[in-house]
Amino acid sequence: DQQVKQNSPSLSVQEGRISILNCDYTNSMFDYFLWYKKYPAEGPTFLISISSIKDKNEDGRFTVFLNKSAKHLSLHIVPSQPGDSAVYFCAASVRSNYKLTFGKGTLLTVNP
Amino acid sequence: KAGVTQTPRYLIKTRGQQVTLSCSPISGHRSVSWYQQTPGQGLQFLFEYFSETQRNKGNFPGRFSGRQFSNSRSEMNVSTLELGDSALYLCASSLGGTGNEKLFFGSGTQLSVL
Repeated sequence: DQQVKQNSPSLSVQEGRISILNCDYTNSMFDYFLWYKKYPAEGPTFLISISSIKDKNEDGRFTVFLNKSAKHLSLHIVPSQPGDSAVYFCAASVRSNYKLTFGKGTLLTVNP
Repeated sequence: KAGVTQTPRYLIKTRGQQVTLSCSPISGHRSVSWYQQTPGQGLQFLFEYFSETQRNKGNFPGRFSGRQFSNSRSEMNVSTLELGDSALYLCASSLGGTGNEKLFFGSGTQLSVL
């Protein structure tokens, strides 16, 4: 049972445009959500997070939106840069559960 | 501040052998988690330790075990290796308070079972 789903295995955008990565979840107990970026053969790097009490969080070029009623979150990258090309993982957690549940990732390619 | 350090970086083992992976968390972090990444399953949670106590465990067979030492360093062990255990094993650390925290990952140990 996959509780966190990233339905797009890949996404390709032009440099300077917006990248939108999507994530859906099924467990209504999740109360904290994160996005990670990962290059091959390296560990994931934290990008941005959002608590379930918020619906938006921004950090520079990265914005995460949370729609609790739809059990959906998205990551917006504006403007996209070639260095953003990587696999992006959505993750979720439940307080005091001490683990992250990850989606299977979306490969983002930003073309110059 | 040094990041999460995992050793060794690469390992090649044969079926039936056992393996021990090591993880040194960021200084001051008391929680250490382990994840397995495979192409088909993505990142799967193995277990989490805080102050030498396992607080949560993922859905893996008993061949997978771990421990944490008093200095927060952690090891995980896989016994009787199977071909399907070939994966990137990632260690992550955090301060460890609430469980709703960002994790900082190491570069992983790439295990190949032949």
